[in-house]
Amino acid sequence: EAGVAQSPRYKIIEKRQSVAFWCNPISGHATLYWYQQILGQGPKLLIQFQNNGVVDDSQLPKDRFSAERLKGVDSTLKIQPAKLEDSAVYLCASSLYSAGGYTFGSGTRLTVV
Amino acid sequence: GDSVTQMEGPVTLSEEAFLTINCTYTATGYPSLFWYVQYPGEGLQLLLKATKADDKGSNKGFEATYRKETTSFHLEKGSVQVSDSAVYFCALKEEAGGTSYGKLTFGQGTILTVHP
Repeated sequence: EAGVAQSPRYKIIEKRQSVAFWCNPISGHATLYWYQQILGQGPKLLIQFQNNGVVDDSQLPKDRFSAERLKGVDSTLKIQPAKLEDSAVYLCASSLYSAGGYTFGSGTRLTVV
Repeated sequence: GDSVTQMEGPVTLSEEAFLTINCTYTATGYPSLFWYVQYPGEGLQLLLKATKADDKGSNKGFEATYRKETTSFHLEKGSVQVSDSAVYFCALKEEAGGTSYGKLTFGQGTILTVHP
């Protein structure tokens, strides 16, 4: 079974620019998560989708972050405009259903300069 | 809300030494508990899990027991190898009926370095 695919692997942008990350979950997985992992910290949930609906986005900074999961398959996370403190690894994960085990992607490492 | 606290690190050991990484948690419901490992340059991988009190999760020589009375899930290994060098994360997930259903709450991570 193919894993969770994420791209790009690395991204360097200047502050106030915009950036987008893409995630393709494991086929058939209804639940998709985006986590932010700041250096030296554990991952923190940004948003959880069930199919194409949002289940939890309470930790998403909605003034600059947005995410969508069109057709309930792949997902895009966008930051506009980026701040220095957004430098982190953005992890996508999927599970068959909310109670199921997770599979994480390799992540996108964002550096904002 | 839910939270996970790991022992402060980093941890540096010699090969074949005994490893303990402490983890305690706070949760409103009856969570499942996990240890994830992140090797250098790689993504998060599930190491082991336990879904109810007194369950013991084990994998690759690592073990952790779900202790509800002490709200702990300490990770242990009897003899570490250089290849165990990685960052270890303790995490919990509320199960059905909780307010954060499906969400993983992570500790801050513990860096383990094993020297030959």
